[in-house]
Amino acid sequence: EVQLVQSGAEVKKPGESLKISCKGSGYSFTNYWIGWVRQMPGKGLEWMGIIYPADSNTKYSPSFQGQVTISVDKSISTAYLQWSSLKASDTAIYYCARTASYLDYWGQGTLVTVSS
Amino acid sequence: QSALTQPASVSGSPGQSITISCSGTSSDIGGYNYVSWYQQHPGKAPKLMIYDVSNRPSGVSNRFSGSKSGNTASLTISGLQAEDEADYYCSSYTSSSTVVFGGGTKLTVL
Repeated sequence: EVQLVQSGAEVKKPGESLKISCKGSGYSFTNYWIGWVRQMPGKGLEWMGIIYPADSNTKYSPSFQGQVTISVDKSISTAYLQWSSLKASDTAIYYCARTASYLDYWGQGTLVTVSS
Repeated sequence: QSALTQPASVSGSPGQSITISCSGTSSDIGGYNYVSWYQQHPGKAPKLMIYDVSNRPSGVSNRFSGSKSGNTASLTISGLQAEDEADYYCSSYTSSSTVVFGGGTKLTVL
């Protein structure tokens, strides 16, 4: 069974750094892109970027380029999304999803709350 | 890149059919057969309902169908059921090798 399991909810202060994770299982992790999607409170889905675990090739949405970093550790089948300096506007649920020309399996989401 | 354009809301009665449109450009929907649709119930992760314009993943009801004409894609749900009430999002691959989502449509089953 394909599963993507994300790390738990985080509460951070503005300016702090954060790295959340997404662990894949039940399939060949290195053969599929992993994407990240943001959903701000009460809002729609926003595609952030993708990474190919086999070679760490990464593509970002222009809206998120330079704002976040997507990385992967293929030895433990885990993808990451990180921020170096969080802002209140980063408060959202972040989903990872296995990605082909579509996002077929999704993680359960990680709620990130940034508040002073 | 701009988000794809969807109606904010649609509604229908049980048993009826509804169609949700998703409008883009020749750089996304019109240029590729890589349109997908997602269903999201409150507090849940999105679920893939249609991929590559008109294909249904295993386990998705055949009441859900997708199509595309030019720069506009559509999701049709026939035989509406109460459980179909949810938010629906379209997405498309783009000429920038990225993906763009629609703004989402809230489906209300009356």
